[in-house]
Amino acid sequence: RKEVEQDPGPFNVPEGATVAFNCTYSNSASQSFFWYRQDCRKEPKLLMSVYSSGNEDGRFTAQLNRASQYISLLIRDSKLSDSATYLCVVFQAGTALIFGKGTTLSVSS
Amino acid sequence: DAGITQSPRYKITETGRQVTLMCHQTWSHSYMFWYRQDLGHGLRLIYYSAAADITDKGEVPDGYVVSRSKTENFPLTLESATRSQTSVYFCASSESRQGYGYTFGSGTRLTVV
Repeated sequence: RKEVEQDPGPFNVPEGATVAFNCTYSNSASQSFFWYRQDCRKEPKLLMSVYSSGNEDGRFTAQLNRASQYISLLIRDSKLSDSATYLCVVFQAGTALIFGKGTTLSVSS
Repeated sequence: DAGITQSPRYKITETGRQVTLMCHQTWSHSYMFWYRQDLGHGLRLIYYSAAADITDKGEVPDGYVVSRSKTENFPLTLESATRSQTSVYFCASSESRQGYGYTFGSGTRLTVV
């Protein structure tokens, strides 16, 4: 079983739509949680960290449910520029970031 | 310029050859990492290093060798390249023990023929 699992998509949405991505992780000892964004096989870049209390950054909202080992990302009012692959990422002590395979989002006009 | 740089950006090599991918960071970050990215697998950790002269295996270390004699450099060597090692390789660095602040290089696209 993959340690971090995501729906690969693709998610095809029109501009202005709201889209949600989900992710589950298998190791309850995971300590830190993130969403990264990757464009066209370029390097991954941090989109936002994820906290149990939930956190928001503009149109982006991330949630963590430790009991269910579930992470989510909500994007409101989608823009063309949001088209990318979104990577769910967890960190376990003594190792390094562990990446999901990514969810592809395509926003069209 | 400050940052993390990988070289070469593109490399084609033949099966059985040794090839070294370079990674250099200017922040003096303690932690450095090598990942490979393949379709259908996402990013997978090859090796990581917590400091100079300290390295550890990741998920897919077979066929690779690393060294870290200086904090700023973390080269990855394929001792005898195989076609299955055709991939995009990303180096990253971080100062955090908690997974925060990873910065990735632009990647090396390696093709083994």
